[in-house]
Amino acid sequence: TQLLEQSPQFLSIQEGENLTVYCNSSSVFSSLQWYRQEPGEGPVLLVTVVTGGEVKKLKRLTFQFGDARKDSSLHITAAQTGDTGLYLCAGDFYSTGFQKLVFGTGTRLLVSP
Amino acid sequence: DVKVTQSSRYLVKRTGEKVFLECVQDMDHENMFWYRQDPGLGLRLIYFSYDVKMKEKGDIPEGYSVSREKKERFSLILESASTNQTSMYLCASIDLGGTEAFFGQGTRLTVV
Repeated sequence: TQLLEQSPQFLSIQEGENLTVYCNSSSVFSSLQWYRQEPGEGPVLLVTVVTGGEVKKLKRLTFQFGDARKDSSLHITAAQTGDTGLYLCAGDFYSTGFQKLVFGTGTRLLVSP
Repeated sequence: DVKVTQSSRYLVKRTGEKVFLECVQDMDHENMFWYRQDPGLGLRLIYFSYDVKMKEKGDIPEGYSVSREKKERFSLILESASTNQTSMYLCASIDLGGTEAFFGQGTRLTVV
């Protein structure tokens, strides 16, 4: 079983603070994605990183893929209440020739005004 | 607008019942997945399918089966529901070779 560990599991911060969420695995992934999930809805893709060492920015969100393609981080600058949600990393790999998408344990973020 | 639709948002079933969860996608994707989501455990893969009538076990297939008779439809079956199958169930589809998974809105199943 491929395992993706996320940390922290839960984060409660004030608006304006910065934060970083980590996603780690012992496996190498062909790509890694970050999703955000709102209550009562399915996860929605934020970004995909493919190349080791890659850094992608999406407004106040910065995503990094580790050089060895086993880990990733999500950094949010000046968090806003609208950033509240469940953040999930997911690794894409091929098992016995078939594409499989495995998810991390999730980080629940609460941003208070 | 791409869409993955799950047949029910909420279901309550009795222990021992046979339960069908339906998922339909309109994007002509080859790959479809069923996950269950539980607090602190993230999304765990139950089964996936890469083509019509083809299926592969995920990480937690026990107590479940699946059916994919048409490309757009992927069904999850609980042969005999048990209380430990109370969970949020999410269906997703991905295009062949793609990286973005499109999810349905989820079905919250309660087994009493």
